[in-house]
Amino acid sequence: GNSVTQMEGPVTLSEEAFLTINCTYTATGYPSLFWYVQYPGEGLQLLLKATKADDKGSNKGFEATYRKETTSFHLEKGSVQVSDSAVYFCAFLGTGGSYIPTFGRGTSLIVHP
Amino acid sequence: KAGVTQTPRYLIKTRGQQVTLSCSPISGHRSVSWYQQTPGQGLQFLFEYFSETQRNKGNFPGRFSGRQFSNSRSEMNVSTLELGDSALYLCASSLDRLAGGSTGELFFGEGSRLTVL
Repeated sequence: GNSVTQMEGPVTLSEEAFLTINCTYTATGYPSLFWYVQYPGEGLQLLLKATKADDKGSNKGFEATYRKETTSFHLEKGSVQVSDSAVYFCAFLGTGGSYIPTFGRGTSLIVHP
Repeated sequence: KAGVTQTPRYLIKTRGQQVTLSCSPISGHRSVSWYQQTPGQGLQFLFEYFSETQRNKGNFPGRFSGRQFSNSRSEMNVSTLELGDSALYLCASSLDRLAGGSTGELFFGEGSRLTVL
């Protein structure tokens, strides 16, 4: 069935370090892919998205590329800040008329000064 | 424009009681989804409503129910509360995918944090 696998956290980094959070999915067809972020005490908000193979989504210095051949959508940022500390969720929305995204379990990121 | 509004933000109940949570979607959004978030289970889909009809349902017992009104506002209800129902309940609204230009992005509220004692 459809599923999303994210690397387990927490991921702990020092400020200005490079970030990668891995995400792979299992789905048929060409789903739309998303990264959502949840800051402490808040709901989720869309960070970036990609709707077709080889698309690169980007926002706030974060990037992720839709890799159809490896069914992956890894999140990267070249230099993290303390304010990036949050939980990051990978998700996809299938093409078969489903209205409900499938979410990963979330990866907590902690950035130290 | 205003975002998704959930009320109440925090509430404490005891076992056996019931609770009703409210969600006002972004103006123009007719799809409203509900999620339960817990540290152990992550984000779990409860149900989705569109035009006052439940269109999708997750794997939760019948104690969890919801409805949507003609103005797209939605409520969810949990009856006979159990300790395990303690969670953050998130509501999300979206444009319908059949509507032009929608890629299925969800807009979340800040959630209602329920504690069951």
